[in-house]
Amino acid sequence: KAGVTQTPRYLIKTRGQQVTLSCSPISGHRSVSWYQQTPGQGLQFLFEYFSETQRNKGNFPGRFSGRQFSNSRSEMNVSTLELGDSALYLCASSRGVGRASQETQYFGPGTRLLVL
Amino acid sequence: DQQVKQNSPSLSVQEGRISILNCDYTNSMFDYFLWYKKYPAEGPTFLISISSIKDKNEDGRFTVFLNKSAKHLSLHIVPSQPGDSAVYFCAASVGRDDKIIFGKGTRLHILP
Repeated sequence: KAGVTQTPRYLIKTRGQQVTLSCSPISGHRSVSWYQQTPGQGLQFLFEYFSETQRNKGNFPGRFSGRQFSNSRSEMNVSTLELGDSALYLCASSRGVGRASQETQYFGPGTRLLVL
Repeated sequence: DQQVKQNSPSLSVQEGRISILNCDYTNSMFDYFLWYKKYPAEGPTFLISISSIKDKNEDGRFTVFLNKSAKHLSLHIVPSQPGDSAVYFCAASVGRDDKIIFGKGTRLHILP
């Protein structure tokens, strides 16, 4: 079956702009989580959505937001981009939530965002 | 403040020998620990986990050891194979909210 897909794969923006990233989970998966990966901070949890509701949120400013649609697809938005937002943004999907889903979540290849 | 620390950014090990990746944590509330493996241009994949009620979990060539008093865990890979070359992330979570906190990762190079 098809894996987690993320679009676009690469993106270049300038400071102050906003960006929207998209994630399509594996068919049947209702949970989508977003992570930011940078060389300095490693992998950091952004937020988790389940059945269109935000279930969990990491320690990121309000410029980072997300949503999930009825078909489980999710989007992440970053407004007023800063240079430090340059990172690989990873999306992961799983059937449910909780401990079991952490082991069975599947990650997409990521969207690499460069802010100039 | 990094709650999960992987102090070795990289590690090189001869093929066939044991690879030991280390991870320290500061939050004593963590009760579940996971290791993920990541190849370039791919997302991380789950490798092995351990609950805080155990001190060892084994799955084939991979064994995770947990030392709660030292707030330390390690991943042992025996024997190391070329396909093990990847970045390994240590992660932890607290039962009540299940948020996963990741370390910065250790790049493992398996030498021929």
